[in-house]
Amino acid sequence: DTAVSQTPKYLVTQMGNDKSIKCEQNLGHDTMYWYKQDSKKFLKIMFSYNNKELIINETVPNRFSPKSPDKAHLNLHINSLELGDSAVYFCASSQDSSPGRSGYTFGSGTRLTVV
Amino acid sequence: DAKTTQPPSMDCAEGRAANLPCNHSTISGNEYVYWYRQIHSQGPQYIIHGLKNNETNEMASLIITEDRKSSTLILPHATLRDTAVYYCIVRPFYNQGGKLIFGQGTELSVKP
Repeated sequence: DTAVSQTPKYLVTQMGNDKSIKCEQNLGHDTMYWYKQDSKKFLKIMFSYNNKELIINETVPNRFSPKSPDKAHLNLHINSLELGDSAVYFCASSQDSSPGRSGYTFGSGTRLTVV
Repeated sequence: DAKTTQPPSMDCAEGRAANLPCNHSTISGNEYVYWYRQIHSQGPQYIIHGLKNNETNEMASLIITEDRKSSTLILPHATLRDTAVYYCIVRPFYNQGGKLIFGQGTELSVKP
């Protein structure tokens, strides 16, 4: 039943490691997003993909590489993890790149802790 | 940067109406006002949106001033489960890439 699902929910890893977060949506939406919420609770967009095409890349370090194998999936791969990457990462989806009636649907988040 | 200003926190008694204000004095004619909320440790949840007319749905009502420079989200009978951070966001209805720009939001505490 879950509309936007992320895995894993929690991720603890050491500095320098490479890790991936997966996101899947079963809503038939054609746009997907990654948002980052830091320790100060600010939510900021990182990427958006529309039909597997990158639309937004908000000056995110190139250690972060999103991959969209199809429009239902948007994965986030992070190389050479740093302490500052610790945050909660939210995946979201919307219909078209112009979400109107019901807005976005967000996943429940992945809490990444880099030690 | 967010184009909205909200009080950082508010309290509300359970069962009473919660009125959350938002200033968006630089809103453009093609921009809508959206409200989302984030309950602790969950992803943001859409509540309501509007352009210039007042709107109501099963969750809340949205009152937008005539000059559209401010709005108020009303939760008519707040419950403990409404405790959350509420975000007011302005964006065009059609927006390439569709990004939402979140501000600091208002942390609403509903108390028994």
